[in-house]
Amino acid sequence: GQQLNQSPQSMFIQEGEDVSMNCTSSSIFNTWLWYKQDPGEGPVLLIALYKAGELTSNGRLTAQFGITRKDSFLNISASIPSDVGIYFCAGQPYNQAGTALIFGKGTTLSVSS
Amino acid sequence: NAGVTQTPKFRVLKTGQSMTLLCAQDMNHEYMYWYRQDPGMGLRLIHYSVGEGTTAKGEVPDGYNVSRLKKQNFLLGLESAAPSQTSVYFCASTRAGLRQPQHFGDGTRLSIL
Repeated sequence: GQQLNQSPQSMFIQEGEDVSMNCTSSSIFNTWLWYKQDPGEGPVLLIALYKAGELTSNGRLTAQFGITRKDSFLNISASIPSDVGIYFCAGQPYNQAGTALIFGKGTTLSVSS
Repeated sequence: NAGVTQTPKFRVLKTGQSMTLLCAQDMNHEYMYWYRQDPGMGLRLIHYSVGEGTTAKGEVPDGYNVSRLKKQNFLLGLESAAPSQTSVYFCASTRAGLRQPQHFGDGTRLSIL
């Protein structure tokens, strides 16, 4: 089946540093979503991207939908301790509304103060 | 403001036992999904439903059954639990159509001994 390659698998950073993570796919997606999961909770939507080239911000978070429709990145600026968690990218295959998302394996972020 | 509610939150079963996980959403969403999350694997789709009375297989459907008798509820059943089904199970829902992000419950932690 389709797969998303998410990298890096984990990151250990100092408070105040910027963070970047990305996802790539071998096939075209019409939607890219970025979720964050805190321990013991379900994923929570951070940013949704629906158009190729779209750049969207949510506070200190910025994400972009790649022009090729096969990749997306998420940047976090000036990280703080509460940014700790697992970040997942998810994509919806092209022309398949209603079908489930395909998830990356996640990026575990650790922030030391 | 309940959103997606999963019950139970935790459960321990013995091999061969059966049980049903309940997912309820109060957002009048058409589509519902069951995922499992295992360490380092991201979220993998088990089954999904695009409407009341309809279900479809996802990526890892073996050993599970589902039912969608009411629009707001999506049940996941394990007829004969196996240790390989030890996992965290997440339910999600979304509106029909494009550009509709999925909303997740907080998960059910299931251990099969």
